[in-house]
Amino acid sequence: RKEVEQDPGPFNVPEGATVAFNCTYSNSASQSFFWYRQDCRKEPKLLMSVYSSGNEDGRFTAQLNRASQYISLLIRDSKLSDSATYLCVVNGGAGKSTFGDGTTLTVKP
Amino acid sequence: DAGITQSPRHKVTETGTPVTLRCHQTENHRYMYWYRQDPGHGLRLIHYSYGVKDTDKGEVSDGYSVSRSKTEDFLLTLESATSSQTSVYFCAISEHMEGQPQHFGDGTRLSIL
Repeated sequence: RKEVEQDPGPFNVPEGATVAFNCTYSNSASQSFFWYRQDCRKEPKLLMSVYSSGNEDGRFTAQLNRASQYISLLIRDSKLSDSATYLCVVNGGAGKSTFGDGTTLTVKP
Repeated sequence: DAGITQSPRHKVTETGTPVTLRCHQTENHRYMYWYRQDPGHGLRLIHYSYGVKDTDKGEVSDGYSVSRSKTEDFLLTLESATSSQTSVYFCAISEHMEGQPQHFGDGTRLSIL
């Protein structure tokens, strides 16, 4: 079993839709969590950190559920420019980061 | 964007040749990382550094070595390249190992023929 698992998708949604991604992790000692966005043939870029209380940045909302060991990303009012691969990242003990394989989102007109 | 420069951006070479990839940062961050990204495997850590001359192995370190003689430079060397090392290589930096996100360079596309 992988340390961090994501549904690879692809998720194909129309503009304006709400879409949610989940990511589960196996290391209960994990301490920090992030969502990254990666465009085709580009480097991963930090989208947002994930805090225990949940956090929002515009149309994006991230949630953490430590008891069930998963994090989620909600995108509201999807735009064409949101099309990308979304990676969840979990920092476990000793500071090692583990990346999920990514979930691919395509937003269509 | 974080000041991270990877060189070269693209390289094609032959099996058995040595290859060195360079990562240069202008952020004075302590931690630097080398990853490879392949279809079906996501990002996998090769080596990382937690200071000048301080390095450690990651998940897929076999066949790779690293050096960090200055805070700003982290070199990844393939002593004798193999076709299985064809990949996209990303360098990343972070200010702290715990609790801080990593920021990535643009990547190096390496093809071993």
